[in-house]
Amino acid sequence: EVQLVESGGGLVQPGGSLKLSCAASGFIFSDSFIHWVRQASGKGLEWVGHIRSKANSYSTEYAASVKGRFIISRDDSKNTAYLQINSLKTEDTAVYYCTRDGGAWNFDYWGRGTLVTVSS
Amino acid sequence: QTVVTQEPSFSVSPGGTVTLTCGLSSGSVSTNHYPSWYQQTPGQAPRTLIYTTNTRSSGVPDRFSGSILGNKAALTITGAQADDESDYYCVLFVGGGIWVFGGGTKLTVL
Repeated sequence: EVQLVESGGGLVQPGGSLKLSCAASGFIFSDSFIHWVRQASGKGLEWVGHIRSKANSYSTEYAASVKGRFIISRDDSKNTAYLQINSLKTEDTAVYYCTRDGGAWNFDYWGRGTLVTVSS
Repeated sequence: QTVVTQEPSFSVSPGGTVTLTCGLSSGSVSTNHYPSWYQQTPGQAPRTLIYTTNTRSSGVPDRFSGSILGNKAALTITGAQADDESDYYCVLFVGGGIWVFGGGTKLTVL
């Protein structure tokens, strides 16, 4: 069974940093692209970025709104992807989901998300 | 900046048919945008319904279908049921490895 489990969320002050994790199981993680999507309370989904597989040089892409502050990485030996968020702003407050790229231009499996709250 | 547009809300009667759309602020949506659709109920993670325009995800009832209608992607629900009441999101591949979600449509079944 495919599972994605996010962790690492919490309360952080503006200007701080946080590193979220996405632990995967039930599929060949190293072959998969992983995306991060966030959702502020009562708002819509926002694609944040993704990381490709080793075969694709672990390359990354980011939404313009987060480029330069967010860094996506992965450790295939741990079947885990990461989202490093720097210089946190109050508008970064959201539930952060990781989702697997199904290989057919879709996000086929989703985690339950982890809540990041940015507040002083 | 690319903006993906969706109707903010829609209402359908039980047993009725509704078509939700997904457009671009500038230009037309085509199959090359690989439109996909996701259903989300409050407090839950999104669920994949449709991908690559019209392919139903595993386990999705055939009352859900996807298409391109005119210059937009479309999600049609035929024979709406009470538990279809959810938020629906489309997402488009806009090139350069970038994806953009629409603002979502809140569907009411009443």
